[in-house]
Amino acid sequence: GESVGLHLPTLSVQEGDNSIINCAYSNSASDYFIWYKQESGKGPQFIIDIRSNMDKRQGQRVTVLLNKTVKHLSLQIAATQPGDSAVYFCAETSSGTYKYIFGTGTRLKVLA
Amino acid sequence: DAGVIQSPRHEVTEMGQEVTLRCKPISGHDYLFWYRQTMMRGLELLIYFNNNVPIDDSGMPEDRFSAKMPNASFSTLKIQPSEPRDSAVYFCASSFTGETQYFGPGTRLLVL
Repeated sequence: GESVGLHLPTLSVQEGDNSIINCAYSNSASDYFIWYKQESGKGPQFIIDIRSNMDKRQGQRVTVLLNKTVKHLSLQIAATQPGDSAVYFCAETSSGTYKYIFGTGTRLKVLA
Repeated sequence: DAGVIQSPRHEVTEMGQEVTLRCKPISGHDYLFWYRQTMMRGLELLIYFNNNVPIDDSGMPEDRFSAKMPNASFSTLKIQPSEPRDSAVYFCASSFTGETQYFGPGTRLLVL
């Protein structure tokens, strides 16, 4: 029979617009979070991280927001470019371990 | 630095055969991770090492899987005997602190 795979949610944005990618994490004890970008045929690439004692962290064109109350993480990409097209994953872990749990991912498509 | 190196990049084998995947981490990195990525289950941590010692292997599917790190510059993931459900992309990643991880290009395994 036909196999059922993960259905990746897709976010399509116009070039130059801002993108917001969301992630609901699973473990309330998690205190360290990472966003990764994975381009087709390549391994995941670290984008930005945040610890649970912070609500917001900014990098170059990217911002991560953490809401521990509802166990929600978001990645904001400013002025989205064609090179941002990829699958984006969040990952979580808790202190004392590096046993990361990855989210299912969101596909970002940048429209010219 | 060449980054994390994995070999082979592609492997096609028949059910029952032994498969060995290889990884060379970035020099100076004390942590090494093995991940598996499938459409069905996404990205899963199999095992990770710190200073060549396995720290958490709870993600290893079953006894058919084994991983070793005989020295700081080399690790193997072995599947014996291989089964069709082992078909996936296997990633190796290394890290200096366990946090920011650098992924290799992956080994695409197909078991017929």
